[in-house]
Amino acid sequence: DADVTQTPRNRITKTGKRIMLECSQTKGHDRMYWYRQDPGLGLQLIYYSFDVKDINKGEISDGYSVSRQAQAKFSLSLESAIPNQTALYFCATRQPGTSRTDTQYFGPGTRLTVL
Amino acid sequence: QQPVQSPQAVILREGEDAVINCSSSKALYSVHWYRQKHGEAPVFLMILLKGGEQKGHEKISASFNEKKQQSSLYLTASQLSYSGTYFCGTDRLPAIRSSNTGKLIFGQGTTLQVKP
Repeated sequence: DADVTQTPRNRITKTGKRIMLECSQTKGHDRMYWYRQDPGLGLQLIYYSFDVKDINKGEISDGYSVSRQAQAKFSLSLESAIPNQTALYFCATRQPGTSRTDTQYFGPGTRLTVL
Repeated sequence: QQPVQSPQAVILREGEDAVINCSSSKALYSVHWYRQKHGEAPVFLMILLKGGEQKGHEKISASFNEKKQQSSLYLTASQLSYSGTYFCGTDRLPAIRSSNTGKLIFGQGTTLQVKP
């Protein structure tokens, strides 16, 4: 089984709809992240969480909200989806340590299309 | 704040070498390198924590110049499987330099295409 899973993998929705993207991990990492990827713009950080009670805004948090339900679960919500939120969304986990253990692992991604 | 990668795109023949650069305007704690195939998740290649450190993975290695806030990824004797988009992710030093910020900010990516 994959260490970091995302649901759904693909989603098509309409402008104005509320949508939630979910992320679960079995790696036991405290830190979880949501990124958005648009062609030519790399990976942009939306929100990140260092533990259940610690949630922080990233570079492009406007229009998004998150919930850290448990150490293993981190959800991203779009309260009222708009077309320019069409993108590929990645969840990631990380457990900083020495150079041998400080690795950020990405989920498989959710392709979201807002019509 | 986003690191700048160069070049934006590279086309190689099998067996040729390539260098991808990553520059930051901020003091860095670490640099992470990833490779992403089209439509897939980024895959971790290596991390560099110390200034001047050079690490290797098969025919892919990297260096980190802490003073210049730059990192370079070296791909030697390229193979078809090296094709993809390469990203550097930087974790910068905060104002209180006891640790890192804990978040990776990624460059815009360098697309590498290896042809037979």
